Amino acid sequence: DQQVKQNSPSLSVQEGRISILNCDYTNSMFDYFLWYKKYPAEGPTFLISISSIKDKNEDGRFTVFLNKSAKHLSLHIVPSQPGDSAVYFCADNKLVFGAGTILRVKS
Amino acid sequence: SQTIHQWPATLVQPVGSPLSLECTVEGTSNPNLYWYRQAAGRGLQLLFYSVGIGQISSEVPQNLSASRPQDRQFILSSKKLLLSDSGFYLCAWSATGAGNTIYFGEGSWLTVV
Repeated sequence: DQQVKQNSPSLSVQEGRISILNCDYTNSMFDYFLWYKKYPAEGPTFLISISSIKDKNEDGRFTVFLNKSAKHLSLHIVPSQPGDSAVYFCADNKLVFGAGTILRVKS
Repeated sequence: SQTIHQWPATLVQPVGSPLSLECTVEGTSNPNLYWYRQAAGRGLQLLFYSVGIGQISSEVPQNLSASRPQDRQFILSSKKLLLSDSGFYLCAWSATGAGNTIYFGEGSWLTVV
């Protein structure tokens, strides 16, 4: 069974600096990963995705990196803004979600 | 455009009472539908998913059940709520097939007292 793990429950970053959110997975057969952002008392919203044929996908301030040999993906937010403060979930295309990482961006 | 709506937004129910959360999707046909739960301090847990009317798969054993009486309607139910059923429940949909982005509803806060 696939496991998607986000081992850092929280991250605190200064405004303007880079935020790096990490995610590990166990099953290499999945070929698509997604990042979701969630504010309190709201449903998660899709942020960015990456296919396993790529090792990087960029969308504005958000970049996702995929290291297939390490079964690891990361989300980079640069520069971080206070409005980025939220819970970030990674998920595979079978919709198995990690536990989430709380990002706090301090102004 | 597609929209997803779930209700009620908040619910306070006594232990042992029944539950019904409803979710509807507009603007698409034959969507995959999902119920997730986010318990306090934990991530998203997939409870049920459905690929068509009357087709429900359960991911975890629990006190809850789901039904899909119509193509774009998904209902989460319980006959007798437990304290441990408290949490934030999210309905979601995706286009038919695997590997599609899923879109979440606004969520429903359930507090069992």
